[in-house]
Amino acid sequence: GAGVSQSPSNKVTEKGKDVELRCDPISGHTALYWYRQSLGQGLEFLIYFQGNSAPDKSGLPSDRFSAERTGGSVSTLTIQRTQQEDSAVYLCASSLARLASYEQYFGPGTRLTVT
Amino acid sequence: LAKTTQPISMDSYEGQEVNITCSHNNIATNDYITWYQQFPSQGPRFIIQGYKTKVTNEVASLFIPADRKSSTLSLPRVSLSDTAVYYCLVGDGPGGYSSASKIIFGSGTRLSIRP
Repeated sequence: GAGVSQSPSNKVTEKGKDVELRCDPISGHTALYWYRQSLGQGLEFLIYFQGNSAPDKSGLPSDRFSAERTGGSVSTLTIQRTQQEDSAVYLCASSLARLASYEQYFGPGTRLTVT
Repeated sequence: LAKTTQPISMDSYEGQEVNITCSHNNIATNDYITWYQQFPSQGPRFIIQGYKTKVTNEVASLFIPADRKSSTLSLPRVSLSDTAVYYCLVGDGPGGYSSASKIIFGSGTRLSIRP
């Protein structure tokens, strides 16, 4: 079946603009995660959803970052007033449930470049 | 939070066995230990997961001592295609125990395999 998909694959934006990143999880996966990976760095956890709710938003770097998930499926990560330090690859993953025993399936990521 | 520590990089040769150790001194009772592999420009991919003792699959083995404060990923007879970054992940356990827990990826171990 289809894996996790993300769009766009690449996004170049000017500083100060808003961007929306989209994630389509694997059908039937109730848990969805967003991570950020700067060049040559590890993964930084941002937020996760169980269904449509996000119990823990403390990983979001600032209040310019927000995320939502609708219908227990598609999720959108929005970054307002982008800054150059927001440049990174944003990765989405999904799993059957938010339990550590369930493996996460990652999408290919969206490479965001803020100029 | 169960922070992980891994070597930054390792080198080996084709056909050798490679062991990558991860330290997680603050692992909680319900935490699972999961290893992911990441190739350049791709999202991480699940390799293996365990809770205690030893787990083996077609790709790797995972050794976890009784105190669970560390774990060792063992890759038998590596090939050039095993060159990647390997992440040790300690995730919180079944939902409800700690809603504030985050899933923490370390900085990973960059494994380079030479002919």
